[in-house]
Amino acid sequence: AQTVTQSQPEMSVQEAETVTLSCTYDTSENNYYLFWYKQPPSRQMILVIRQEAYKQQNATENRFSVNFQKAAKSFSLKISDSQLGDTAMYFCAFMKQLGNEKLTFGTGTRLTIIP
Amino acid sequence: ETGVTQSPTHLIKTRGQQVTLRCSSQSGHNTVSWYQQALGQGPQFIFQYYREEENGRGNFPPRFSGLQFPNYSSELNVNALELDDSALYLCASSLALGQGKYGYTFGSGTRLTVV
Repeated sequence: AQTVTQSQPEMSVQEAETVTLSCTYDTSENNYYLFWYKQPPSRQMILVIRQEAYKQQNATENRFSVNFQKAAKSFSLKISDSQLGDTAMYFCAFMKQLGNEKLTFGTGTRLTIIP
Repeated sequence: ETGVTQSPTHLIKTRGQQVTLRCSSQSGHNTVSWYQQALGQGPQFIFQYYREEENGRGNFPPRFSGLQFPNYSSELNVNALELDDSALYLCASSLALGQGKYGYTFGSGTRLTVV
């Protein structure tokens, strides 16, 4: 079974600064997908960024980037030039390549951007 | 394009009762998954439906059941409600089976309180 661990329950950062959220996972799979989802107070999960495990290059989406370390089973999210709208819960999630497409989520990190 | 719509948004039920939650998937999406998110936790996979058939189930008892209709909308039914069933129930859709690896579209959830 897969597990996802987010060891930072809460973080806060000043607007315009850079923040990094940590995520580690445990799996015996070689091919899989990793995701960061954002859950604002509206409760809707929004995909922030995804990474395919067979790709060595770290994924980037505008101000969001990841540091994917496959051997260490680590998948951190970096938010640059943070904005007030980035305030939300952030969940790291894992999906196997084969089998049903269930997402295994971590417990989340509550990020607050301070004006 | 419309997103994922869930109803109702909030619901209060008494222990032992039955409840039905509804989800309209994003237009063109034929695969629907349901997740349970307890307070302070990450979402837990309940099951997935593809073309009206269950395609994978998480560690939930049989009193959690589902349906998917020809128009790809879906229902989650929970019988014999227990206090621990109090949670946010999220519906997520993807374009087709195998496309969840690109990310799901989530609804805003139904907040179920069992008293």
